[in-house]
Amino acid sequence: GAGVSQSPSNKVTEKGKDVELRCDPISGHTALYWYRQSLGQGLEFLIYFQGNSAPDKSGLPSDRFSAERTGGSVSTLTIQRTQQEDSAVYLCASSLPARGSTDTQYFGPGTRLTVL
Amino acid sequence: RKEVEQDPGPFNVPEGATVAFNCTYSNSASQSFFWYRQDCRKEPKLLMSVYSSGNEDGRFTAQLNRASQYISLLIRDSKLSDSATYLCVVRRGYSTLTFGKGTMLLVSP
Repeated sequence: GAGVSQSPSNKVTEKGKDVELRCDPISGHTALYWYRQSLGQGLEFLIYFQGNSAPDKSGLPSDRFSAERTGGSVSTLTIQRTQQEDSAVYLCASSLPARGSTDTQYFGPGTRLTVL
Repeated sequence: RKEVEQDPGPFNVPEGATVAFNCTYSNSASQSFFWYRQDCRKEPKLLMSVYSSGNEDGRFTAQLNRASQYISLLIRDSKLSDSATYLCVVRRGYSTLTFGKGTMLLVSP
């Protein structure tokens, strides 16, 4: 079946512009996660959506970052007034959480964001 | 102290070698443990979960030592296709995953 998809695959923008990154999770997956991975760094958690619950935004690095998940499916990560340090690969993952905490997160191919 | 620490490597090994990676985690409340694999410029993919009793999947063996807060991954009979970065991952309860920065493995002919 279809996996997690993300768009665009690459985005180059100028400092100060706003960008929107999109994630389509696997159909039926109720949990959706955004991470970012800077060059040579590990994955950094940004935000987590689970069903209709309030999202866990504890990883968002600043108020320039926000995310929405409409209809419990597609999610959009928005970065306002981009800065050069926002350059990274933004990865989305989805999972079908089950008790026992062994749910697997499936990652999309990522969006490579470059801020000039 | 970082929540999940790994030796970044790279580990350079010949085909057929056995190689082991270690990982330590700082939060004793961590309950779930995983190894993910990430190929260059690709997304991470789950390699295997790590269970308290240790578990094996083909050439791959994972071990967990809760007392020492230490996780290991052993790869036997290394293949060229095993070249990748191996990410140690922990989770507390049902919260999000915390990733280590990864250990790079290069398997040469």
